[in-house]
Amino acid sequence: GENVEQHPSTLSVQEGDSAVIKCTYSDSASNYFPWYKQELGKGPQLIIDIRSNVGEKKDQRIAVTLNKTAKHFSLHITETQPEDSAVYFCAAPQQGGGNKLTFGTGTQLKVEL
Amino acid sequence: IAGITQAPTSQILAAGRRMTLRCTQDMRHNAMYWYRQDLGLGLRLIHYSNTAGTTGKGEVPDGYSVSRANTDDFPLTLASAVPSQTSVYFCASSVLAGTVDEQFFGPGTRLTVL
Repeated sequence: GENVEQHPSTLSVQEGDSAVIKCTYSDSASNYFPWYKQELGKGPQLIIDIRSNVGEKKDQRIAVTLNKTAKHFSLHITETQPEDSAVYFCAAPQQGGGNKLTFGTGTQLKVEL
Repeated sequence: IAGITQAPTSQILAAGRRMTLRCTQDMRHNAMYWYRQDLGLGLRLIHYSNTAGTTGKGEVPDGYSVSRANTDDFPLTLASAVPSQTSVYFCASSVLAGTVDEQFFGPGTRLTVL
C-alpha cells in the first residue's frame, strides 16, 4: 500500500519566518496530495491540496509544491503567525481507488513570538 | 449547520466492555470514515463506507466493526475493548467516494480503556 513519510516531527520558528514541511510517498500512481491542519482539541481541517497535473499551488500565505519524479511534496507557510501553531498532516491516496487516504505522522509547528 | 458530530466527547472504559462511538453528519455526504489518532502514528483508517449499506476495512480494522444503515449515521463499535484501543477517534465524511477529495472531520472522541 501507499507509504507516506513526513518530516520534521516538530518545527519551531520565529513569528514572521517561513516554515517548510516535507512528505514523501511511495505509489507513483498517486494523484492527489492534501494538507490538513489540526488545532488543539479539534479535528483536522483541509488547508490546501494539489493534484498531480500541477507542480505548485498557492493560497495567500500557504503553498504546496509537488515533485512527481522524486515523489515528494512540501507545504510552505510564509510570514508565520502565532495562529499557525498547530499539527500539520500530509496525505496521499491509498491504493485501490476511492477516497481513502494514508496520512503522514504529523508535524507539530510552533510559532514563537 | 453542524457538519459532523461525534459522541461521546470522551469516555473511560473498562477492558472487556462493549462501546459504540456515534457519528452523525448533516451534509448528505456519501462517504464516511473512522480514523484513530495515536501520538507518533498520525491518523490511521479503521473502516470506511462509500455509501449507505456498504462498508469496508481500512488499515487497522481488527477489534472494530461499523454499520451504515442510512446516509447520516456511521457508528463504530468495539465489541470487547482492550487497552491498546486507547486513542482519539475521528469520524470524517466526503461528498463522493469514487474520487479523491476533501474529507471533513468531526471533533473526535477521546477513549481510554483501562
